[in-house]
Parts: sequence; C-alpha cells; structure tokens
Amino acid sequence: EAGVAQSPRYKIIEKRQSVAFWCNPISGHATLYWYQQILGQGPKLLIQFQNNGVVDDSQLPKDRFSAERLKGVDSTLKIQPAKLEDSAVYLCASSRGEATSTDTQYFGPGTRLTVL
Amino acid sequence: AQSVAQPEDQVNVAEGNPLTVKCTYSVSGNPYLFWYVQYPNRGLQFLLKYITGDNLVKGSYGFEAEFNKSQTSFHLKKPSALVSDSALYFCAVRPISGSGYALNFGKGTSLLVTP
Repeated sequence: EAGVAQSPRYKIIEKRQSVAFWCNPISGHATLYWYQQILGQGPKLLIQFQNNGVVDDSQLPKDRFSAERLKGVDSTLKIQPAKLEDSAVYLCASSRGEATSTDTQYFGPGTRLTVL
Repeated sequence: AQSVAQPEDQVNVAEGNPLTVKCTYSVSGNPYLFWYVQYPNRGLQFLLKYITGDNLVKGSYGFEAEFNKSQTSFHLKKPSALVSDSALYFCAVRPISGSGYALNFGKGTSLLVTP
C-alpha cells in the first residue's frame, strides 16, 4: 500500500511571496489533515477534511492560508503572502475516516518551508 | 481541553538497556493515546495506540506502552534499545467525541541510544 505523498520536499521563498504544497493521501482514505510543525515543537493541526468538506479549520490563519481538497482526494495548502514565522515543516496525514476516532493517522514525509 | 506532556526533552540510554520515554495526559473522560516516531527529514511513523482494553499495548519495532489511569500516564518502553531507535518520539491524544479527530501532540522527546 502506497503511503501519503507530498511535494515538494523542500521550498525556500522570500517573505511576502506565495507558496503551495500538494498532498496525495493513501488510496481510499476519506479524512485528510494538514499539520504545521515548527522546529522544536509537536505538530499542530491547521485543517481537517472529511472527503471534500472542511471539518475543522479553527487554527488555520485564514488571512494568509487556504486549503482545498477537490474531488475528495488530493489536497493543496497555500500560503499567500508568507511571513518569516511560517518557516516550518508542513505535514499531511490521512485516515480511513470511519465514524470513530480510533482511526490511525498516517503521515507523509512533509514539506520543509524556509521563509527568508 | 485534551493535552499531553512529555517532561523530558532528551533521553539517553546505552544500547541493550531498557528505555522509557515518558508521557502524561490531561483529558476529561477516557483518552485515546498514540505514540509516533520521527526520523530526521521524515514524517511521523505510527508506533502504537491505546483505545480500550488491555493496559499494555504492543506496537511496531518491539515498542510497547503502558496505560496507567491512576497516574494519567502512557509511557513508551522497549526492553532492549538499539542504536537505530535514536529519533524523536511524540505522544499524542485525540478527543473521543466530536467531529474533529485531530491529534494533540506533545513537544517531543529526543531519544539517543549510544553503542
């Protein structure tokens, strides 16, 4: 079974520029998560999708971050404009999305973003 | 609010010795608890989870964790450490109800196993 795929693996941009990250979840997984992991901290949820609908985006900085999951499969996370404090690893995870919270989340390798 | 705490930034252990990585939780009700491991420049890999039942949970790579309700702990253990176990370990908790199933992670504990 293929794992969660993410691209690019690394990205360096100047502040105020825009950037986009792509995630392809495990086949058949209905739930997709984007987490932000700042150096020295644990991952923090940005947004959760169930199929193509948003379940939780309460911690997403909506003035600069946006995400979509068209057709309930792939997802894109965008930052525009980027700030220095957005430097982090952006992790995508997926789970089957059964009607129970015992699901295991499987993580992709992450995208390391550096904002200069 | 559901949260976990990992009191140690780093744990050092000699190869072949038993290892313990500590995690305590703060939840209302019964928790769902998870352990993940992160190797350099890689994503998080699932090790094990506690949902209900037996307090001793066995997971991948020889790791196990013991759920202790009275001490609100979920420590990760391995009887004999390997150098290849050196990595960053995260404990996480998830709410047992509601529509959002995101994990709340601890800050992580760096495990260093020396030859």
